[in-house]
Amino acid sequence: GQQVMQIPQYQHVQEGEDFTTYCNSSTTLSNIQWYKQRPGGHPVFLIQLVKSGEVKKQKRLTFQFGEAKKNSSLHITATQTTDVGTYFCAGHGAGSYQLTFGKGTKLSVIP
Amino acid sequence: GAGVSQSPSNKVTEKGKDVELRCDPISGHTALYWYRQRLGQGLEFLIYFQGNSAPDKSGLPSDRFSAERTGESVSTLTIQRTQQEDSAVYLCASSLPIAGGGVSAKNIQYFGAGTRLSVL
Repeated sequence: GQQVMQIPQYQHVQEGEDFTTYCNSSTTLSNIQWYKQRPGGHPVFLIQLVKSGEVKKQKRLTFQFGEAKKNSSLHITATQTTDVGTYFCAGHGAGSYQLTFGKGTKLSVIP
Repeated sequence: GAGVSQSPSNKVTEKGKDVELRCDPISGHTALYWYRQRLGQGLEFLIYFQGNSAPDKSGLPSDRFSAERTGESVSTLTIQRTQQEDSAVYLCASSLPIAGGGVSAKNIQYFGAGTRLSVL
């Protein structure tokens, strides 16, 4: 079945440093979604990418969807303590309603 | 309601007991998902309901797990004869009707706060 791998599993950064998490799918995806889960909280939708090579920005967050629609990345510029949490990517396979989640990258920001 | 509501928020039970977890989706969301999240882990798909279609039960880990949903409303996840390895947060999510993966904002899943299950 479809698998979504996410690296790194953990990342510790100093406040102000940049952070990137990578997501790779074993199959072509029709879309990629990113969710953020704060400690003790539940996943909250951040963004959805649909087009090959698509790039979207939300303030300090930049999301990319690969040309082959099998990988994606989330880059945070100048991290802040409010960025702490686990970032999950998730994607639908072609024609599938099932959203397959990566295992997430847990971000810690040292003030 | 304004969001996905799950109850109870916490459940402590003894090994071997049955538990029932409840999810009340956002009004109008015909798609409903159950996930399991073990401590520090990702989201493990359990079951999917879409309107009156047959549910996709492919993620249920054993026959001790079952779920029901009447129409497009509340869903219950039942775990029979609980085991310690069942301890986890059980998350419910709902979304608008979708015909398949792809290109619509309808695919966004809205999560409840989860039920934290502890099996002693």
